[in-house]
Amino acid sequence: DQQVKQNSPSLSVQEGRISILNCDYTNSMFDYFLWYKKYPAEGPTFLISISSIKDKNEDGRFTVFLNKSAKHLSLHIVPSQPGDSAVYFCAASVPGAGSYQLTFGKGTKLSVIP
Amino acid sequence: GAGVSQSPSNKVTEKGKDVELRCDPISGHTALYWYRQRLGQGLEFLIYFQGNSAPDKSGLPSDRFSAERTGESVSTLTIQRTQQEDSAVYLCASSRRRRGTGTNTGELFFGEGSRLTVL
Repeated sequence: DQQVKQNSPSLSVQEGRISILNCDYTNSMFDYFLWYKKYPAEGPTFLISISSIKDKNEDGRFTVFLNKSAKHLSLHIVPSQPGDSAVYFCAASVPGAGSYQLTFGKGTKLSVIP
Repeated sequence: GAGVSQSPSNKVTEKGKDVELRCDPISGHTALYWYRQRLGQGLEFLIYFQGNSAPDKSGLPSDRFSAERTGESVSTLTIQRTQQEDSAVYLCASSRRRRGTGTNTGELFFGEGSRLTVL
């Protein structure tokens, strides 16, 4: 039972345009959401996060939007650059337990075409 | 070192053998996690260590899997009697502090992973 779903395994975008990566979740207890980026042969690296008390968080070219009623979040990258080509993982955690035990989606491979 | 270090980077083993994977977290990071990523899948939580507290083993898939960590240092993940379905990239991550104890983005710092192939 996948609690975090990234339904698009891949996405291709032209350089300079907007990339929109989507993520849906089923567990209403999730209260913290993160995006990680992963290059081949490297570990995932943290990109941006959002708490459930917010609906938007922005960091430079990256913005994450959270729609709690729809249990949906999205990552917008604008403008997209070739160096953004990577696999993007959506992750979520529940309160309690004192840890950031994250539940990850399967990832979306973004290709930014020069 | 500056980042999370894992060894070996690649391990090929025969079915039924035991393997041990090692993780050196970032110095000062009290929390340590093991995840695995099987082909075409997302990252799957295995186990979490926080300081000297009892580890959260809820993600371990079977009793063939075990992990140890001494204090806030090195951790080893052991897989006994490996099976082909154990083939995956095993990722270790560490973080600075527990959730809820001050500002923390929830950022986990991952190592490059240990790719295990069971023939």
